[in-house]
Amino acid sequence: GAGVSQSPSNKVTEKGKDVELRCDPISGHTALYWYRQRLGQGLEFLIYFQGNSAPDKSGLPSDRFSAERTGESVSTLTIQRTQQEDSAVYLCASSFSGGARRGENEQFFGPGTRLTVL
Amino acid sequence: SQKIEQNSEALNIQEGKTATLTCNYTNYSPAYLQWYRQDPGRGPVFLLLIRENEKEKRKERLKVTFDTTLKQSLFHITASQPADSATYLCAPTRGGDMRFGAGTRLTVKP
Repeated sequence: GAGVSQSPSNKVTEKGKDVELRCDPISGHTALYWYRQRLGQGLEFLIYFQGNSAPDKSGLPSDRFSAERTGESVSTLTIQRTQQEDSAVYLCASSFSGGARRGENEQFFGPGTRLTVL
Repeated sequence: SQKIEQNSEALNIQEGKTATLTCNYTNYSPAYLQWYRQDPGRGPVFLLLIRENEKEKRKERLKVTFDTTLKQSLFHITASQPADSATYLCAPTRGGDMRFGAGTRLTVKP
């Protein structure tokens, strides 16, 4: 596809359940990012994948959050035992790295997944 | 601690005027600074990137300045149009540490 896609677009779950969010980056983009955006707030960095390097997990808020990436393609963000405070829009972005570090190239964002934890 | 502040949560201006949005940062010395536009229910869209050794950058009706002494970036939209109404986010970066501001919601009234 032409852009970054995310699924599902909306997810409603009950407190305590696990959820899995998916991101398909732009083909050829070696860098992939996950962010969380609470209502009316800025983007909160979660995790960053760059090629075959170890991911930068410094933004993950707790051990309930984890993410994987298969090669330079699809990524999944998993939230275990969801809490109401996890309710937010989860955004994925990708960029062409070319040796640049995080934030040194433009990022292409997906439409996000709106997660609601009841 | 590091802090990024964008001017007032909302900015309302008249069509045709120049909109000026501010991004101030403290305890931080970014080498790059990006600006993004975000429309309701959508992901941010990249607009401009400026480096610390660049004072100003332009793209069509957009202009960004980067003052490392004042620790401030200004984002200008000239001849503003209602279609420019959106939330604008700044994102300073240094050494791979990229942080987003909360954004300024701009409304351009016809």
